[in-house]
Amino acid sequence: SQKIEQNSEALNIQEGKTATLTCNYTNYSPAYLQWYRQDPGRGPVFLLLIRENEKEKRKERLKVTFDTTLKQSLFHITASQPADSATYLCALSTGGGNKLTFGTGTQLKVEL
Amino acid sequence: DADVTQTPRNRITKTGKRIMLECSQTKGHDRMYWYRQDPGLGLRLIYYSFDVKDINKGEISDGYSVSRQAQAKFSLSLESAIPNQTALYFCATRGKAESTDTQYFGPGTRLTVL
Repeated sequence: SQKIEQNSEALNIQEGKTATLTCNYTNYSPAYLQWYRQDPGRGPVFLLLIRENEKEKRKERLKVTFDTTLKQSLFHITASQPADSATYLCALSTGGGNKLTFGTGTQLKVEL
Repeated sequence: DADVTQTPRNRITKTGKRIMLECSQTKGHDRMYWYRQDPGLGLRLIYYSFDVKDINKGEISDGYSVSRQAQAKFSLSLESAIPNQTALYFCATRGKAESTDTQYFGPGTRLTVL
């Protein structure tokens, strides 16, 4: 069955450092990989999407890489700030209106 | 105003009661989804609808039913609530023209079944 793994342990980093979150998947050939941010008690908010034929995508301080051979995506936040503290979810889909499959998320804490 | 709204935001009920959670959207999207979120399990799809006449079961539909009253409204019902249905429930939408499957979520409903 399809499986998406994100590090279940919280990631604590110091303000100004780069946070790197990992998303691994098995038994899946996604056309799209997406990253969402979720704050406590709130719904997930879309951040970035990367297509299967793209290696890297950037948006302001965010960078996503996608390695379909390793079946892995890395999500980077550079110059991290306490306001970046949240849970980050990766989600995969095959496109064409098919369902999104979500990972369980990784909690990021950025400390002063 | 929020594009996707959910009511109620919090609900406490008792075992055996019938509960309805409502979702409305102003994004003009035709596709709507209901998820539940539990600690350590992530988001799991309950039901989804591609339009008013197209309702589909997700991976955990047992114990739930849905109604798509209009393009903008999608309700989730628990016919006879049980404690293991205690969870955060999210509604989401997606536009038909959106080829990348990106979804837009409501703020969630926290449901507690005693």
